[in-house]
Amino acid sequence: QLQLQESGPGLVKPSQTLSLTCTVSGVSLISANYYWGWIRQPPGRGLEWIGNVYYTGSAYYKPSLKSRVTISLDSSKNQFSLKVNSVTAADTAMYYCARILRHPDGDPFDHWGRGTPVTVSS
Amino acid sequence: DFQLTQSPSFLSASVGDRVTITCRASQAISTLVAWYQQKPGKAPQLLIYAASTLQSGVPSRFSGSGSGTEFTLTISSLQPDDLGTYYCQQVKSDLFTFGPGTKVEIK
Repeated sequence: QLQLQESGPGLVKPSQTLSLTCTVSGVSLISANYYWGWIRQPPGRGLEWIGNVYYTGSAYYKPSLKSRVTISLDSSKNQFSLKVNSVTAADTAMYYCARILRHPDGDPFDHWGRGTPVTVSS
Repeated sequence: DFQLTQSPSFLSASVGDRVTITCRASQAISTLVAWYQQKPGKAPQLLIYAASTLQSGVPSRFSGSGSGTEFTLTISSLQPDDLGTYYCQQVKSDLFTFGPGTKVEIK
């Protein structure tokens, strides 16, 4: 059974780096049928796509976050990771990892982790 | 910038009502839209993808339609378990966008 589990510090100081890991069980990260993404949701607000990583290691990011974000994949551990540099209070959010199904008519997020809350505060 | 809008932003309906949520895209995107339900305190769950394909395990009272710039999610008979916020989402040129959400309340 596919499961995604986010992990990482729940509190990060301003200007520091936010680092999260998504551990995937039940399926290999190395598949041409799927790829992997991060989404966040500030308190009381909507969903914001952060970026995706393919099994090849290629990544795509939301343009407004691209200069601060890195998403990488570790196939040996069946994990993928998110790093956000130079965080501010605006990065406070629930962070979700998700699997993305490759489909000719749009690639949906078909499985999600439960999410992990991150607060940016000194 | 590519944008998705949703209407209404909030709706209150009774059990058994037919409910329709609309998602409009700033550019034509063929059928490249998915719909998600997010219950309070939970992660979103996929309901519909490719505009009209029901995700496995999703009740048949949910349906999706549309193409181009206008898409709809319909709940044929609203149930108490359907309360939550509904989001549309699209992907274009490897960039993803979510709509702002529609909060559904049960009267």
